[in-house]
Amino acid sequence: KNEVEQSPQNLTAQEGEFITINCSYSVGISALHWLQQHPGGGIVSLFMLSSGKKKHGRLIATINIQEKHSSLHITASHPRDSAVYICAATPNTGNQFYFGTGTSLTVIP
Amino acid sequence: KAGVTQTPRYLIKTRGQQVTLSCSPISGHRSVSWYQQTPGQGLQFLFEYFSETQRNKGNFPGRFSGRQFSNSRSEMNVSTLELGDSALYLCASSWAGGEAKNIQYFGAGTRLSVL
Repeated sequence: KNEVEQSPQNLTAQEGEFITINCSYSVGISALHWLQQHPGGGIVSLFMLSSGKKKHGRLIATINIQEKHSSLHITASHPRDSAVYICAATPNTGNQFYFGTGTSLTVIP
Repeated sequence: KAGVTQTPRYLIKTRGQQVTLSCSPISGHRSVSWYQQTPGQGLQFLFEYFSETQRNKGNFPGRFSGRQFSNSRSEMNVSTLELGDSALYLCASSWAGGEAKNIQYFGAGTRLSVL
């Protein structure tokens, strides 16, 4: 059983649509991260959350600690948002990441 | 400030050989973590080093090892390579390994192909 579960695995959206990616985790965590990976492999950290909600431009990340659930929302999606989005949890016991399987997002013009 | 640098970017080896990958963290960062990414297993944690000590280890065989130097640069070594070791190996650094809430900064990765 994976410590972090993510859905959906694949997502295709029309430009301008509102997108939601979900993440649930089963371990005690000190932080929940949302990462973005473009073709070629480079990973960029989008958000680090331990509670509540964070917003950066068109991206919003929320976390519900009691329900062990986090969501990443993209408003007014754009083709340049096409990437793999990965949820990762930092457990209470260390600094490593437990990763979700990733969501491959394609935004069509 | 320079980012996390991984060398080499690409590597081709044959089964049974060994390989050493290098990671230079962002200046001032003391924690370096290594990850393996494959199409089948996704991203998996290998190990984390902090102040030259391995602090956490993932579920990988002993063929996978690493070390960290006094300047925080880290190397990982894979001995007796198997076909299944073909993967993208990523390293990430953070500024103070004792605080689990720190953001990790990833290198571009080393793509290893085992033939």
